[in-house]
Amino acid sequence: GENVEQHPSTLSVQEGDSAVIKCTYSDSASNYFPWYKQELGKRPQLIIDIRSNVGEKKDQRIAVTLNKTAKHFSLHITETQPEDSAVYFCALIKAAGNKLTFGGGTRVLVKP
Amino acid sequence: DTAVSQTPKYLVTQMGNDKSIKCEQNLGHDTMYWYKQDSKKFLKIMFSYNNKELIINETVPNRFSPKSPDKAHLNLHINSLELGDSAVYFCASSQVRQTGTYNTGELFFGEGSRLTVL
Repeated sequence: GENVEQHPSTLSVQEGDSAVIKCTYSDSASNYFPWYKQELGKRPQLIIDIRSNVGEKKDQRIAVTLNKTAKHFSLHITETQPEDSAVYFCALIKAAGNKLTFGGGTRVLVKP
Repeated sequence: DTAVSQTPKYLVTQMGNDKSIKCEQNLGHDTMYWYKQDSKKFLKIMFSYNNKELIINETVPNRFSPKSPDKAHLNLHINSLELGDSAVYFCASSQVRQTGTYNTGELFFGEGSRLTVL
């Protein structure tokens, strides 16, 4: 199946520092990798995604990198701000599939 | 306008009862989902419907029965509620786009329905 492991489960950073979350997967047929952010008491929302034919994608302070050979992808948040505090989920879809499988989530706390 | 709306937002009930959660989306998407988020925040897919047809049915007890009267609605009925059913249930929708071997499509979640079984 499409297992995805996410680390760390919690991450505390000082405002202005960078945060990195890593996900590893086992099924090489996985080819679409989105990241969702869930603020406290709110719904998850897509923040960035990447396809398997791309190695890196950036959107302002967030970036995602993908290593297909090693089967891992990472979310990078630079210059963290208090509003970045949330639970972040990696996810993936297998090629031509419909099922989005989520990682276990990372609770990020940005300390002012 | 709310894109994906689900009701009720909160549900407190006794063990053994039967309850339903309703979901509606006005985005014109063809695929809808039910996800369960437990106390540890794990998001696990339960069901998915595409144009009223069940396409994903994970290992979920038979007490859970989804119903999709049309592609804009996906309801979840739960029989004989148990303590372990306590969770937040998220409805979501997406328009799956297939480009070559890629299936992509942003998931739009509802606000969630927090179910507490006493």
